[in-house]
Amino acid sequence: GAVVSQHPSWVICKSGTSVKIECRSLDFQATTMFWYRQFPKQSLMLMATSNEGSKATYEQGVEKDKFLINHASLTLSTLTVTSAHPEDSSFYICSARGRAGTEAFFGQGTRLTVV
Amino acid sequence: AQSVSQHNHHVILSEAASLELGCNYSYGGTVNLFWYVQYPGQHLQLLLKYFSGDPLVKGIKGFEAEFIKSKFSFNLRKPSVQWSDTAEYFCAVNGGANNLFFGTGTRLTVIP
Repeated sequence: GAVVSQHPSWVICKSGTSVKIECRSLDFQATTMFWYRQFPKQSLMLMATSNEGSKATYEQGVEKDKFLINHASLTLSTLTVTSAHPEDSSFYICSARGRAGTEAFFGQGTRLTVV
Repeated sequence: AQSVSQHNHHVILSEAASLELGCNYSYGGTVNLFWYVQYPGQHLQLLLKYFSGDPLVKGIKGFEAEFIKSKFSFNLRKPSVQWSDTAEYFCAVNGGANNLFFGTGTRLTVIP
């Protein structure tokens, strides 16, 4: 299957700082990218959906000013957690998909710890 | 709004037992349905998918799932599980809007 690379795999940051997570589709063009958050022993919660060149669509309850998503090219999307707080500590997963209705491929996830 | 329900949170089976994991979704229109698996320490992988056509779809590693439109269900099955099937299984739905929603997941533990 196609490869989606997410970087970094883990990051520790101080409260109040910002963290950027990158998601790259290595061998296909990702028209759509999804960003999820996964809490321990829980499912993936969809945070936002982004199409290349368009503003991201955020799910209800997700602060768009806190979780900045940029999908500037067909192979790269970034999630920036601004002014991070300990409650933002979580496992963030990106997913990329080509055309609508096709399979989405997942990155390996980023574990964020805010101290 | 779309939602996906997986009623089995943790299933424990002995090797060679048969498996069925439930998945129900709420969306009235045309849907694309998926089952993903997450092995310990690994990222999500696609097991199988349904877009249209034969409602009984076969995936990798001997898994299959049946789409029953009248029941809004897409249950995952395997006739005989192996220890290596121990993992977390997620049902996912894409319907209408450009999104992909996941169920809460089912943890499968297979005892050798």
